[in-house]
Amino acid sequence: GNSVTQMEGPVTLSEEAFLTINCTYTATGYPSLFWYVQYPGEGLQLLLKATKADDKGSNKGFEATYRKETTSFHLEKGSVQVSDSAVYFCALLISNFGNEKLTFGTGTRLTIIP
Amino acid sequence: NAGVTQTPKFQVLKTGQSMTLQCAQDMNHEYMSWYRQDPGMGLRLIHYSVGAGITDQGEVPNGYNVSRSTTEDFPLRLLSAAPSQTSVYFCASSTPGLATHEQYFGPGTRLTVT
Repeated sequence: GNSVTQMEGPVTLSEEAFLTINCTYTATGYPSLFWYVQYPGEGLQLLLKATKADDKGSNKGFEATYRKETTSFHLEKGSVQVSDSAVYFCALLISNFGNEKLTFGTGTRLTIIP
Repeated sequence: NAGVTQTPKFQVLKTGQSMTLQCAQDMNHEYMSWYRQDPGMGLRLIHYSVGAGITDQGEVPNGYNVSRSTTEDFPLRLLSAAPSQTSVYFCASSTPGLATHEQYFGPGTRLTVT
């Protein structure tokens, strides 16, 4: 079956530090890959996505590259801010004749300290 | 647009009680789904619908019912609440298709079953 594995949290960093949150996946077929972010007390929001191998998704200074050879989609940011404190979810989507379901990782809680 | 709305925000039930969690979207999305979020387990799909009159089971459907009589609404019914159903519930909607697939999430309902 399809699955997503992401690094366990929580992760605590100082402001302006470099961030990497690892994500690897197992899937039959050719998935699209996503990072969603959940700020405290809110629902999930799409942060970025990539729909095919070697695509790079980017948004708000975050980047992730779809690596088919390593089945990975690691999230990176060069200089984090306190406002980036949130829970980050990696997810994959396989479309099967219009039947589309997202499979989520367990989430990584990120805390940025000033 | 209000996006995806969920009511109530918080609910406490006693074991054996029933209730309906409401979800509505005003984006004319065909696809709607319900997830539950539990610590260390990410989001798990309960039920989903690809259009009015069509529903299907997700990963953890037991103890829940859904119906989709309109495009806008997708209520989730707990038939006889159990403590194991204590969780945060999220409704999401989207327009299927890999190129556009972004799921929009509601703010969530925090349910406690005692």
